[in-house]
Amino acid sequence: GAGVSQSPSNKVTEKGKDVELRCDPISGHTALYWYRQRLGQGLEFLIYFQGNSAPDKSGLPSDRFSAERTGESVSTLTIQRTQQEDSAVYLCASSLALAGGKNNEQFFGPGTRLTVL
Amino acid sequence: DAKTTQPNSMESNEEEPVHLPCNHSTISGTDYIHWYRQLPSQGPEYVIHGLTSNVNNRMASLAIAEDRKSSTLILHRATLRDAAVYYCILRDGFAGTYKYIFGTGTRLKVLA
Repeated sequence: GAGVSQSPSNKVTEKGKDVELRCDPISGHTALYWYRQRLGQGLEFLIYFQGNSAPDKSGLPSDRFSAERTGESVSTLTIQRTQQEDSAVYLCASSLALAGGKNNEQFFGPGTRLTVL
Repeated sequence: DAKTTQPNSMESNEEEPVHLPCNHSTISGTDYIHWYRQLPSQGPEYVIHGLTSNVNNRMASLAIAEDRKSSTLILHRATLRDAAVYYCILRDGFAGTYKYIFGTGTRLKVLA
């Protein structure tokens, strides 16, 4: 079956522009996660969704970052007024249930590489 | 703050077993221990997870200390394809919050 997909695979933008990153999770997965990975570093947790709800937004780096999920499916991560420090690979993952217990294996997408010039 | 501590890097010879350690002294009673790995230029992939008992699957084994404050991922025969960054992670937060703190992981280098 289809895995997690993300689009675009690469995005180059100018400082100050807004960008939207899309994630299509595996069908039926109720939980969805966004991470950021800067070059040579580990994964930085950003936000998770249970259904269409994001109970904890404290991981978002600033108020320029926002995320939404609709139809318990597609999710969009939006970065407004991009800055050079936003350059990173943005990874999306989904799981059958919320992580921590059983049925919680996260399946990752290939990521979107964002470059802010 | 990261809830797990791992060595930055390790090396192994091909065809030999590899033991990747992880310390998680602040683990709570209901936290599962998860291991993921990230091959070069790819997203992370699930390896194994456990709660209290040792676990085996086709990829690896997970040995969990009796006090659950540490665990070890065991690759029985390392191959060149196992060269990756291995992350040991716990569910972070209280019930209702489900952050995963990946940390920087252990970079495993497999020598031919």
